[in-house]
Amino acid sequence: QQQVKQSPQSLIVQKGGISIINCAYENTAFDYFPWYQQFPGKGPALLIAIRPDVSEKKEGRFTISFNKSAKQFSLHIMDSQPGDSATYFCAASMSDYKLSFGAGTTVTVRA
Amino acid sequence: GAGVSQTPSNKVTEKGKYVELRCDPISGHTALYWYRQSLGQGPEFLIYFQGTGAADDSGLPNDRFFAVRPEGSVSTLKIQRTERGDSAVYLCASSKRVQETQYFGPGTRLLVL
Repeated sequence: QQQVKQSPQSLIVQKGGISIINCAYENTAFDYFPWYQQFPGKGPALLIAIRPDVSEKKEGRFTISFNKSAKQFSLHIMDSQPGDSATYFCAASMSDYKLSFGAGTTVTVRA
Repeated sequence: GAGVSQTPSNKVTEKGKYVELRCDPISGHTALYWYRQSLGQGPEFLIYFQGTGAADDSGLPNDRFFAVRPEGSVSTLKIQRTERGDSAVYLCASSKRVQETQYFGPGTRLLVL
């Protein structure tokens, strides 16, 4: 039973464009929402994270938007670069250790 | 500094065999986690250690899976009587304390023939 649903499965964006990945959850007890970036053959690496007391968090070209009432959150990658080509996972937890991951989105940035 | 390391990086075994997967966490990290990632899926939580003890093993799929962390550092995930469905990437992560950022290793790719 997947607790976090992620879409799209894959996306292609031109260099300089915006990539948007969406996630939805059901468990209202979740209180920590991280995004991880994974390159082939590597483990996931934390990109950015948010807690439900804020609606948006920005770090460089990466922004999380959080909608508590809709139980949705999204990752925006601004000015996408070829080096951003990777698989992105959203996740959620209510205990800060037992992460429930989405199925992942493969982002391809075309030069 | 060194990140989380996992050995072996790849393991091919036959159905019914026993395997051990090793994780070396970042030095000083007290919390250690195991996840399993099937092809095209996100990681799934298996077990969490705080120090030497398994604080939450609710993600272990059945009693063929067992993990230890005897000295509070290195951990070993053990799988008995492997099945083809056990084929996946097994990821280990560690954090300085629980509720802090989890740092993942590169994983062990297990293939059961």
